[in-house]
Amino acid sequence: GQNIDQPTEMTATEGAIVQINCTYQTSGFNGLFWYQQHAGEAPTFLSYNVLDGLEEKGRFSSFLSRSKGYSYLLLKELQMKDSASYLCAMWAGNMLTFGGGTRLMVKP
Amino acid sequence: NAGVMQNPRHLVRRRGQEARLRCSPMKGHSHVYWYRQLPEEGLKFMVYLQKENIIDESGMPKERFSAEFPKEGPSILRIQQVVRGDSAAYFCASSPATGSTYEQYFGPGTRLTVT
Repeated sequence: GQNIDQPTEMTATEGAIVQINCTYQTSGFNGLFWYQQHAGEAPTFLSYNVLDGLEEKGRFSSFLSRSKGYSYLLLKELQMKDSASYLCAMWAGNMLTFGGGTRLMVKP
Repeated sequence: NAGVMQNPRHLVRRRGQEARLRCSPMKGHSHVYWYRQLPEEGLKFMVYLQKENIIDESGMPKERFSAEFPKEGPSILRIQQVVRGDSAAYFCASSPATGSTYEQYFGPGTRLTVT
C-alpha cells in the first residue's frame, strides 16, 4: 500500500530556518513533490525531486533519499507570509498521494 | 495564459440534491485530476481523466459520484444525493499530455457545503 507521513504542525521564528520532514512508503515511486497551501486557497507547486539529493530554489530547498523513503523541505530566512500548510506528495502510478500537510506558523 | 478554472467557487446544497462541479484545464492540458480535501485534512485523489476517457477512478466512491471530461467543454464532477459528509473543498488539477506530465497545476477549488 501507500503511506505518507509528515508532522501536523510546526512553529518557527521570522528570519530563522525550518525543516519539514516527510516519510513515505510506496511501490512504483516516480517522484516527490512539495506544495504550499494558504488557508482557503489552492496548493501551489514548490518543488519536485525524482533523484536523490538536494534541489535548491531560492529560499526553499528540497531533499530526497529514495532508499530511505525520506524527504524534507527546508525554508530559509523565514517570512511571515510563509505561514501556510506544506504538503508532501508522492507521484506513483497515475496520481499524487498527499500527506496530511504540515501547518507552519511563523512568529515575529 | 489562464490557469485552471473551477466553478462555482462556493456551492451550497441541501441533503439529497445534486452537486455539479466544473473544471476547465489550462490551455494545452488534456489531463485532469480531481481531489477532495476534507476540513483540516490533506488532499485525497479521486479520479484521473483524459478527453473522453476515465483513466483511473480508484479514489472515487462507488456510489453517487461520477466524473466526465467530454471532447468539448469542461470536466464535470457530479455528486448525486449529497450528504453532509460530502462537504469539502474539491480541487481540480491539470497537466500536459507530453513533456512534464507530472506537473499538476491546481485550480482554486469549489467549496461544497451540504446543509
